[in-house]
Amino acid sequence: GENVEQHPSTLSVQEGDSAVIKCTYSDSASNYFPWYKQELGKGPQLIIDIRSNVGEKKDQRIAVTLNKTAKHFSLHITETQPEDSAVYFCAASWASGYSTLTFGKGTMLLVSP
Amino acid sequence: DVKVTQSSRYLVKRTGEKVFLECVQDMDHENMFWYRQDPGLGLRLIYFSYDVKMKEKGDIPEGYSVSREKKERFSLILESASTNQTSMYLCASCGLVSYNEQFFGPGTRLTVL
Repeated sequence: GENVEQHPSTLSVQEGDSAVIKCTYSDSASNYFPWYKQELGKGPQLIIDIRSNVGEKKDQRIAVTLNKTAKHFSLHITETQPEDSAVYFCAASWASGYSTLTFGKGTMLLVSP
Repeated sequence: DVKVTQSSRYLVKRTGEKVFLECVQDMDHENMFWYRQDPGLGLRLIYFSYDVKMKEKGDIPEGYSVSREKKERFSLILESASTNQTSMYLCASCGLVSYNEQFFGPGTRLTVL
C-alpha cells in the first residue's frame, strides 16, 4: 500500500518568514495530493491540492509543488502570519470515487509574532 | 456548507465498556470514514463505507466495528474498550467523485480508564 513520509514534524518560524513542509510517497500510481490544515480543537480542513498532471499550484500565500519522478511534493507558505499556526497534513491517493487517502504524520507549524 | 457532526466532543469510558461514536453528515455524501489521531502517528484509517450497509476495513480495524444503516450516519463501535483505544477519533465524509475533498467533523476525544 501507499506510504507517506512528512518532514519536519515541527517547524517554528517568525512572522513574515516562509515555511516549507515536504512529503514523499511510495506508490507511483498515486495521482492526487491534498494538504489539510488542522487548527486547535477542530477537524482537518483542505487548504490546497494538486493532481499529478501539474507541477505547481498556487493560491494566494500558499503553493504546492510536485515532483513525480522523485515522488515528493511540498507545501510552501509565504509571508507567514500567526493564524497560520496549526498542524498540517499531506496525503496521497489514487483519485477515484472509491479510493482512500494515506496521510503523513503531520507538521506542527508555529508562527511567532 | 458541508457539516459533519460527531455526537460527543469528550467521552470517558471504563475498560470493557461498549462504546458508540456517532457521526452525521448533511451533504448526502456516499463515502464516510473513521480515523484515529494520535500524537506522532498522524491520521490512521479505521474503517470506511461507500454506501449504506457497506463497510471496508482500513489500516487499523482491530478492536473496532462500524455500522451504516442510513446514508447520513456512520457509527464506530468499540465492542470492549481498552486503554490503548484512548485517542482522538475523527469522522469524515466525501462525495463519490474523483479528486474529492474529505470534510471532517470536530473529533471526539475518548479516554478509556
